[in-house]
Amino acid sequence: GQNIDQPTEMTATEGAIVQINCTYQTSGFNGLFWYQQHAGEAPTFLSYNVLDGLEEKGRFSSFLSRSKGYSYLLLKELQMKDSASYLCAVIDSNYQLIWGAGTKLIIKP
Amino acid sequence: ETGVTQTPRHLVMGMTNKKSLKCEQHLGHNAMYWYKQSAKKPLELMFVYSLEERVENNSVPSRFSPECPNSSHLFLHLHTLQPEDSALYLCASSQRVKGESTDTQYFGPGTRLTVL
Repeated sequence: GQNIDQPTEMTATEGAIVQINCTYQTSGFNGLFWYQQHAGEAPTFLSYNVLDGLEEKGRFSSFLSRSKGYSYLLLKELQMKDSASYLCAVIDSNYQLIWGAGTKLIIKP
Repeated sequence: ETGVTQTPRHLVMGMTNKKSLKCEQHLGHNAMYWYKQSAKKPLELMFVYSLEERVENNSVPSRFSPECPNSSHLFLHLHTLQPEDSALYLCASSQRVKGESTDTQYFGPGTRLTVL
């Protein structure tokens, strides 16, 4: 079967750095997405990785290792507004999007 | 209006009611999706309308019926729902290329559905 694993919940402190991991077992791979979803709101696109390595976008970076079936989202200089759920999703060999259950990130002052 | 809009934002209905959810995208995309989001579970794809094709998840009960009159509008008709259907229903759109697609999906804010 196809599977995406993410921690259910994480807690971090304002101003700190947090890394949210995502591991996947899918039939093929055509890319990986990270989305952010604030409570009661739409998921919004953060990043897309298809090649190995680190992609940086301001305070957020996303890393991919295809050989390890692994990605992480790195959030720096955490702000209270970063409290949200972070969803990992993988495109499989049939170009179907397989979603993880999301990681709820709680930021404390 | 910009992006993807959904109405209503909240809906409470009895098991014998019939209601419809509406989604509209203002992005010029050619594909639209319905997802079900339950607490602590992955997003569940229900239906896709893409490039004049409809794809459905075979596990979705027939009490959910989609309608896509054009590329900008998508409806989800609901009838005789069950309490376990209570969830957040998200609509999304994307620009698909025939055959292969790594397109980014853009989501609406969702309809929070409660079935009593």
